[in-house]
Amino acid sequence: NAGVMQNPRHLVRRRGQEARLRCSPMKGHSHVYWYRQLPEEGLKFMVYLQKENIIDESGMPKERFSAEFPKEGPSILRIQQVVRGDSAAYFCASSPIQPNPGELFFGEGSRLTVL
Amino acid sequence: AQSVTQLGSHVSVSEGALVLLRCNYSSSVPPYLFWYVQYPNQGLQLLLKYTSAATLVKGINGFEAEFKKSETSFHLTKPSAHMSDAAEYFCAVSDRQTGGFKTIFGAGTRLFVKA
Repeated sequence: NAGVMQNPRHLVRRRGQEARLRCSPMKGHSHVYWYRQLPEEGLKFMVYLQKENIIDESGMPKERFSAEFPKEGPSILRIQQVVRGDSAAYFCASSPIQPNPGELFFGEGSRLTVL
Repeated sequence: AQSVTQLGSHVSVSEGALVLLRCNYSSSVPPYLFWYVQYPNQGLQLLLKYTSAATLVKGINGFEAEFKKSETSFHLTKPSAHMSDAAEYFCAVSDRQTGGFKTIFGAGTRLFVKA
């Protein structure tokens, strides 16, 4: 059973460009979470999605950031007009609802560098 | 709203010594509690979880944690540290909300193990 797959693992963008990060959850998992990790900081919750539905986006910046989890295909975290402060590791996790509520399975992260 | 506080961003122990990593949580409902470990340039892996069964929870690699409701704590321990335990450890709390579970992480504690 394949784990959570994130790509790209590393992404370099110049200021003002767009970054798209993809996440394929584990088979059978219908919930996807995105977290951001800055150096020497913990994981900051960004957004929580089900297929075709955003459950909670309280951690997402109001501008430039968006997330989706379509019926078919991976979840995508999109950052428009990137700035240097967006440089971070972005982790995706997936979860089943049953039988282990709240337990997350993580991908290896996408590391975004903004020049 | 739920929150997690990890006391000590860095902990250093000698090989063979006791490991104690502290975690206090806040949650409006009985929580699910987790400890995750992160090795460099990797995603998080689940160490152990508390889901309202036994208050003393055993995890992988010899780690265990005790849920103390009166102290709102979920400290992580290991009797004897090994060099391979050097990593970053995250405490997390998860509780049910509409649509599923939302998981919040502490800031993390980096464990150093000295030979």
